[in-house]
Amino acid sequence: AQSVTQLDSQVPVFEEAPVELRCNYSSSVSVYLFWYVQYPNQGLQLLLKYLSGSTLVKGINGFEAEFNKSQTSFHLRKPSVHISDTAEYFCAVSEGDYKLSFGAGTTVTVRA
Amino acid sequence: GAVVSQHPSRVICKSGTSVKIECRSLDFQATTMFWYRQFPKQSLMLMATSNEGSKATYEQGVEKDKFLINHASLTLSTLTVTSAHPEDSSFYICSAIFLAGEQETQYFGPGTRLLVL
Repeated sequence: AQSVTQLDSQVPVFEEAPVELRCNYSSSVSVYLFWYVQYPNQGLQLLLKYLSGSTLVKGINGFEAEFNKSQTSFHLRKPSVHISDTAEYFCAVSEGDYKLSFGAGTTVTVRA
Repeated sequence: GAVVSQHPSRVICKSGTSVKIECRSLDFQATTMFWYRQFPKQSLMLMATSNEGSKATYEQGVEKDKFLINHASLTLSTLTVTSAHPEDSSFYICSAIFLAGEQETQYFGPGTRLLVL
């Protein structure tokens, strides 16, 4: 069984500042890793995913994440955030069967 | 891109009644759909896997007789919350697997907010 830990429950950040959301996972097998964003009262939207290959993954809206197998981490970053990036962000893992285990989520609040 | 819809978007019902939530893949066929549940300020928890033409597979701790899942066609899965109680109030989200060649992507619906009074 796999599990996901998002180390920060809330991250306030000023507009145009960088942001990093931390995610660590545990699994006894190889995993696929995902970051999703959820805007208020909406479903989930995929930001990016790591399946294999390059450990640096680029996603939509300027986000990127780096898979670090030795540290079992998959931190999400954006060099310059916008007000519109205010949302809930979820890290998730799958062992290849499409079943996703989600972290508790990180609320990002971008202030002007 | 692929779209998954849910109906209704929100529903309020009385305790003891049953509520049906639909999940549709609008422009693709999905042999597998998933149902998740999200309590306020919490993460999504997988409830069950919905397989077209066969019985759903439920996660540990999820009552299959309470949460009835029917995947009648390749574009529709339904979740029926039977004899709903206030503790069933939650945000229910479905997802569907989209296959494009060798690429597989999981798309999520917008969710259904259920409030049981």
